[in-house]
Amino acid sequence: AQRVTQPEKLLSVFKGAPVELKCNYSYSGSPELFWYVQYSRQRLQLLLRHISRESIKGFTADLNKGETSFHLKKPFAQEEDSAMYYCALLGALGGQFYFGTGTSLTVIP
Amino acid sequence: NAGVTQTPKFQVLKTGQSMTLQCAQDMNHNSMYWYRQDPGMGLRLIYYSASEGTTDKGEVPNGYNVSRLNKREFSLRLESAAPSQTSVYFCASRGGQGYTGELFFGEGSRLTVL
Repeated sequence: AQRVTQPEKLLSVFKGAPVELKCNYSYSGSPELFWYVQYSRQRLQLLLRHISRESIKGFTADLNKGETSFHLKKPFAQEEDSAMYYCALLGALGGQFYFGTGTSLTVIP
Repeated sequence: NAGVTQTPKFQVLKTGQSMTLQCAQDMNHNSMYWYRQDPGMGLRLIYYSASEGTTDKGEVPNGYNVSRLNKREFSLRLESAAPSQTSVYFCASRGGQGYTGELFFGEGSRLTVL
């Protein structure tokens, strides 16, 4: 079975503080993992994907196969980062996208 | 370019009524998806269509049916709505092969079943 776990439903940090949103997965094979973000009153959009190894809006995420994790990090949180964040995994059949339960991030001014 | 368009945006139903949520994409994507979003439950896959002419069940298909009408359109039908189906529904599409294709989402349809 393929599952994505985001252990924190809510996360609050102060502006300028580091932030880490946790994501763990279970998957038999080579996973394809993504982070999606949903800002208030906007549709879900891709933030980053592990194969790109890129930094978007200051966020990075590294796939750790040993710990089966794909945590999202940013060294200095900004108020505009307040949003709902979802970790997602592309399934073995190449079609199913599984999402975690999401973490609501609030950045306190 | 509209991307992924869902209708209606809001709907209130009584228990037992039926309705269809419509979804269309103009990006020539092969795969289309229906999710529901509930507080504390995240996004759960209802059905998906990997390509025109195929549909497959996701995590929570009970109480729903889908139709991939053509490459552009993927509809979700509730035959006999129940209060447990009160949710926000999202349609998404994806064009790439393997892992290269990201999901593009619609704005969501908020359904309330009384």
